[in-house]
Amino acid sequence: TQLLEQSPQFLSIQEGENLTVYCNSSSVFSSLQWYRQEPGEGPVLLVTVVTGGEVKKLKRLTFQFGDARKDSSLHITAAQPGDTGLYLCAGRSNDYKLSFGAGTTVTVRA
Amino acid sequence: DTGVSQNPRHKITKRGQNVTFRCDPISEHNRLYWYRQTLGQGPEFLTYFQNEAQLEKSRLLSDRFSAERPKGSFSTLEIQRTEQGDSAMYLCASRLRDTQYFGPGTRLTVL
Repeated sequence: TQLLEQSPQFLSIQEGENLTVYCNSSSVFSSLQWYRQEPGEGPVLLVTVVTGGEVKKLKRLTFQFGDARKDSSLHITAAQPGDTGLYLCAGRSNDYKLSFGAGTTVTVRA
Repeated sequence: DTGVSQNPRHKITKRGQNVTFRCDPISEHNRLYWYRQTLGQGPEFLTYFQNEAQLEKSRLLSDRFSAERPKGSFSTLEIQRTEQGDSAMYLCASRLRDTQYFGPGTRLTVL
C-alpha cells in the first residue's frame, strides 16, 4: 500500500514540451524527496523539500512543496529525451525511512 | 567513493529454493536499508540497520526473510523457500547523514 499517490501514472511528450507530475499524501512527513530511476538501476535523489510552500529549482526542473506539506509537484521545462525515466516521490520520516509513491513513467520522444 | 554495490544483479530460482543477496554500502555509512520494488510500484521499506543492529522490520518481512549485517559493514538478505510472489527488485541503500544512496538492486525471478 502506497501512502503517497502520484499522477499521472504515465506521461509521453515530445521533446521541447513542458510536463508536470504530482504527488499527494494523506500524511505529513518530515520532508519529501523526489527521485529519478532508470530501468535496472536504483533511484537517484533529485531534491529534498522540507518547508511548506518551498520552491526549489534544479536547472530545468522546478519542485514545489504545498503549504500543508502534503502535496508536491515536479515541473520540467523544455523536456529532453534524457529526462526519460521513472519519477518517484518519497516521504521521509524522522528515522529517515522512506515511503514511496508508485511513480510516474515519463517518456520524452525526440 | 565507489557507491553502493549489490550482488548478484540478477537471480533466477525455482520456487522453494533459498536465495541470498549481498549489499556493500558506501564505506563509513553506518545506516543501511533494504527495500523491495515490484513492477509498476515504488520501493517498499523492508528493514533498517544502524551499524550491526537491526532497528526495524516491516510487516512485509515474513519469517521466510532474514537480514544480517554482522560487522556493521556489508549486509545480506536471505529468502527461504521462495515463492513466486517474492519476484521483485531488492534494493539496498546506505546513509551517513541526510541522503540515502541506492544500489542498482538485485532482480529476483522465482519460477
